[in-house]
Amino acid sequence: AQSVTQPDIHITVSEGASLELRCNYSYGATPYLFWYVQSPGQGLQLLLKYFSGDTLVQGIKGFEAEFKRSQSSFNLRKPSVHWSDAAEYFCAVGALNTGTASKLTFGTGTRLQVTL
Amino acid sequence: GAVVSQHPSWVICKSGTSVKIECRSLDFQATTMFWYRQFPKQSLMLMATSNEGSKATYEQGVEKDKFLINHASLTLSTLTVTSAHPEDSSFYICSARPGQGNSPLHFGNGTRLTVT
Repeated sequence: AQSVTQPDIHITVSEGASLELRCNYSYGATPYLFWYVQSPGQGLQLLLKYFSGDTLVQGIKGFEAEFKRSQSSFNLRKPSVHWSDAAEYFCAVGALNTGTASKLTFGTGTRLQVTL
Repeated sequence: GAVVSQHPSWVICKSGTSVKIECRSLDFQATTMFWYRQFPKQSLMLMATSNEGSKATYEQGVEKDKFLINHASLTLSTLTVTSAHPEDSSFYICSARPGQGNSPLHFGNGTRLTVT
């Protein structure tokens, strides 16, 4: 069964500082990996995804993530955090398949707080 | 593009009543939609997969008679919480995927259900 671990429940960074949110996954086949962001009381917005190709993927809002198969990781990074980035971030893994919809398994989330 | 609309955004109901939540794909057709539940400060847990024109597939531990899912068209899925109890209070989020294969899920903004 697939699973996702986000080791950090809560992270606080200063505005302008760099950010890295950790994500480790467990999946028997080639994973399909996502990062979503959720503002309070809102749904989820896709930041970026990886399913093949370049292991460093670029997303929206200046975020990027790197897939490292050897470490089963897909960490999210941003070189300079803005106060508006404060939110809950979820890593998710899904099955890489063809033609059929697949379910996603989410990590428990990391709450990012940004101090001015 | 790929907008998923969820209605209502929040609802308060009395114990024993039923509540219907709608999930619409506004600019694409979705043969499959997913319903998630999120408890405060926790991750999203998949409840069921809604299939257009056929029965929904429920995850283990989810009561199908309590959480009725109807996917009557390619753009609409509904979740009805029957005989609601306070423990059903939660944040319910739907998602859908435009097209087939590995396109990412798009999420609605969620419905906050409070049962008094």
